[in-house]
Amino acid sequence: DQQVKQNSPSLSVQEGRISILNCDYTNSMFDYFLWYKKYPAEGPTFLISISSIKDKNEDGRFTVFLNKSAKHLSLHIVPSQPGDSAVYFCAASSPNFGNEKLTFGTGTRLTIIP
Amino acid sequence: NAGVTQTPKFQVLKTGQSMTLQCAQDMNHEYMSWYRQDPGMGLRLIHYSVGAGITDQGEVPNGYNVSRSTTEDFPLRLLSAAPSQTSVYFCASSRTGNLNTEAFFGQGTRLTVV
Repeated sequence: DQQVKQNSPSLSVQEGRISILNCDYTNSMFDYFLWYKKYPAEGPTFLISISSIKDKNEDGRFTVFLNKSAKHLSLHIVPSQPGDSAVYFCAASSPNFGNEKLTFGTGTRLTIIP
Repeated sequence: NAGVTQTPKFQVLKTGQSMTLQCAQDMNHEYMSWYRQDPGMGLRLIHYSVGAGITDQGEVPNGYNVSRSTTEDFPLRLLSAAPSQTSVYFCASSRTGNLNTEAFFGQGTRLTVV
């Protein structure tokens, strides 16, 4: 049973436009959410996170939105750049656990078209 | 600063063989975890540790053992390799406590069992 879902396996976006990556979760106990970026043959690297007490968190070109009632979060990248082409994973953790026990989605491969 | 180091990067095993995947971190992190990444499955937690001498099972622990004798090292042992264990394995570490932290990942070990 996939508790964190990324329903779009792939996404192509023109350079300079906005990229929107979506993530849904089913476990209402999740209270902290993270986005990781992964290039081929490398480990995932942390991008941005959000606590369930917030509905938005920004870091430069990256913004994460959280809709708790819909159990949905999204990552916005504006403007998109060729270096953003990678696989993006959504991850979640629940109370009493920290980053030692993350539940990941299946990932979305983002391709930025020059 | 090396971060999280995994060895080897690639390994081919025959069914039934055993081996140990090494993971070391130099950030004095208490939390360490092992994940496997399979196509269409995202990253799934195998085992994790919240400190030296303490380990626990994740989502997919069968066929794997771990130990945590020091803060720095968290080896993953395959007792009797099976083709179903063909995967890319990632080790991660993070600090305790504050949820506003991230997990750092190693570069991965690509394991093929024939």
